[in-house]
Amino acid sequence: DGGITQSPKYLFRKEGQNVTLSCEQNLNHDAMYWYRQDPGQGLRLIYYSQIVNDFQKGDIAEGYSVSREKKESFPLTVTSAQKNPTAFYLCASSIGRALRTDYGYTFGSGTRLTVV
Amino acid sequence: GESVGLHLPTLSVQEGDNSIINCAYSNSASDYFIWYKQESGKGPQFIIDIRSNMDKRQGQRVTVLLNKTVKHLSLQIAATQPGDSAVYFCAENAGGTSYGKLTFGQGTILTVHP
Repeated sequence: DGGITQSPKYLFRKEGQNVTLSCEQNLNHDAMYWYRQDPGQGLRLIYYSQIVNDFQKGDIAEGYSVSREKKESFPLTVTSAQKNPTAFYLCASSIGRALRTDYGYTFGSGTRLTVV
Repeated sequence: GESVGLHLPTLSVQEGDNSIINCAYSNSASDYFIWYKQESGKGPQFIIDIRSNMDKRQGQRVTVLLNKTVKHLSLQIAATQPGDSAVYFCAENAGGTSYGKLTFGQGTILTVHP
C-alpha cells in the first residue's frame, strides 16, 4: 500500500544536540511538508518542498533545516538553535500543483520529540 | 494577518446526535478548504473538501457547508458515533503562489458520549 512513513515515533534529544526526523513517501507525490503541533494548537508550517532539490521556509523555520535530495524523502533536522523543540512533528505530502479536487495532504503518523 | 480560526474549541454530544463544527476564515482569496480528523497521537486524516465555487458538499455521514459571504465553513456529522471523537481541523488554501500550502485552524475537540 502507498503511504507516508515517519520515524522514529518517539525521539528524545539532549540539550545542544541536533536530531533528524525521517519522512519517506511512496505515493509519487511532488510536494512534501513539515508541520509542528503543540498541545491544544493547530499545525504550523516549518518547511515545504514542491520539487526535488528545492524547498522553502514556512512560518516557523528558525532552528530547523531540511533537504530534498530524492522525491521520496524529506528529512527534518532539529538543530540546537531551536530553543523549544518539544512538540509533535508531522510530515505530509501532496500531489502539488494538481487540479483534482482531492489533492489534500496525506499525513504521516508523526514523531513526538522530547528534550531531556 | 490571514488566518483560519474556530468558533468552538470543544463540542460534547450524545451518540446518535448530529454534530456541527464551525470554522471562520479571513483570507478572501482562499479557494479550497479541507476538514481533517485527528485522533490522539496520530496524524490528521482527510474527511472532506470543498472548492469555493460550491456551497455544499456531502460525503458519507458528513456534509461541508461554505458561506463565502461571511467567510464561514462548517462540518456536519450525522448520527455521531463514539468513534467520531477526535480533534477536527479546518484548513484553507489560497491558491496562486501558495498552491499546495494549507493554513490550519486551531482545532475543535469533539467528544461523543455513549
